[in-house]
Amino acid sequence: DVKVTQSSRYLVKRTGEKVFLECVQDMDHENMFWYRQDPGLGLRLIYFSYDVKMKEKGDIPEGYSVSREKKERFSLILESASTNQTSMYLCASSQGGGGNTIYFGEGSWLTVV
Amino acid sequence: GENVEQHPSTLSVQEGDSAVIKCTYSDSASNYFPWYKQELGKRPQLIIDIRSNVGEKKDQRIAVTLNKTAKHFSLHITETQPEDSAVYFCAASILNGNDMRFGAGTRLTVKP
Repeated sequence: DVKVTQSSRYLVKRTGEKVFLECVQDMDHENMFWYRQDPGLGLRLIYFSYDVKMKEKGDIPEGYSVSREKKERFSLILESASTNQTSMYLCASSQGGGGNTIYFGEGSWLTVV
Repeated sequence: GENVEQHPSTLSVQEGDSAVIKCTYSDSASNYFPWYKQELGKRPQLIIDIRSNVGEKKDQRIAVTLNKTAKHFSLHITETQPEDSAVYFCAASILNGNDMRFGAGTRLTVKP
């Protein structure tokens, strides 16, 4: 079974804090993704990576950065958290190329106060 | 980039009835269209997908149809059951591409 693990399920952070969301997959997948899920807005792509040290902006990259130093790990960084970044964050992975199933982690609920 | 629109945002049906969810996409190069189901408090999981070389695909009570000319695709669930209640997401991507864009989701409620 493919496993995508997000280390933190629930976080509460203060405005202005730097926040790290970590994601690890165990299937040697080339592609990794960070999505944000908000009611009525669906799953919006923040960043994705198709290889180590490679990253591509998605539709809503502002206020976020990512890091992929190892193939199995993809980190989402909020440089200075703001209240409008309160959301559910979903990490996902898939095999390289398109047309492959995306496997999601369980999600990280982030509240910024 | 690709833009996927999904309708309706909520859908309520009686157990045993059919449910249809529709999506449109903007990029004519897209050729892979998966559907994901997210039960309450759980992660989204793939339930069925279709590639552009076919117009329809079935898996038991679930079917997807694709109209490439009109750039829309639909999910059909027949004989709905309470356990079908969930949020359903459509998505689109290019087969040789790496990113995936999702629709806004449809909350399906099946009333017993």
